[in-house]
Amino acid sequence: DVVMTQSPLSLPVTLGQPASISCRSSQSLVYSNGNTYLSWFQQRPGQSPRRLIYKVSNRDSGVPDRFSGSGSGTDFTLKISRVEAEDVGVYYCMQGTHLPGTFGQGTKVEI
Amino acid sequence: QVQLVESGGALVTPGESLRLSCAASGFTFSDFYMTWIRQAPGKGLEWLSYISGSGSDVFYADSVKGRFSISRDNAKNALYLQMNSLRVEDTALYYCARTARELDSWGQGTLLTVSS
Repeated sequence: DVVMTQSPLSLPVTLGQPASISCRSSQSLVYSNGNTYLSWFQQRPGQSPRRLIYKVSNRDSGVPDRFSGSGSGTDFTLKISRVEAEDVGVYYCMQGTHLPGTFGQGTKVEI
Repeated sequence: QVQLVESGGALVTPGESLRLSCAASGFTFSDFYMTWIRQAPGKGLEWLSYISGSGSDVFYADSVKGRFSISRDNAKNALYLQMNSLRVEDTALYYCARTARELDSWGQGTLLTVSS
């Protein structure tokens, strides 16, 4: 299975300041159709995971534009341009290119 | 809008069986792959199994292969996970999600506790 490695695992942040989470895969996530199935999920305390970003850099409907995804191949990043209080939670990257899909360990974002 | 509602979670003893259900609405259920994911208490997410829209294509993670079986009833817009020979380490919140590779919508989860 593809191993997804996130860093850092804990991210203290300051309101209004930027934040960044790295996700690396043990092999390339480019699928045979040319797509890269790398998604980012947010899990607020006591809630189900919610997808924020799909195919590396596409924001889901309703996701604030302060969230952005980038990267290619095996190296990916989720950025929050200005952290708000509602961004507290755990963030996971997930690859769906090589089944079974696999998740990173999660990064806990706290104020 | 897309809605997924899991049910069937319970407290069971090791070795028992249980079937989880996921009721889907707000989209053409038969058009989509569906996936089960679980989260042990205080832990991360574990991808378990997917099934194609027709039910002809299924896949399991090694951790549940041979013990868990995924199925669906498109007439009822329902997804199922039959879990046999349950172990203490299967204790988790079980989620269903839409699609196999991108998990665009999730339910609220149903809790399975396996304990003697």
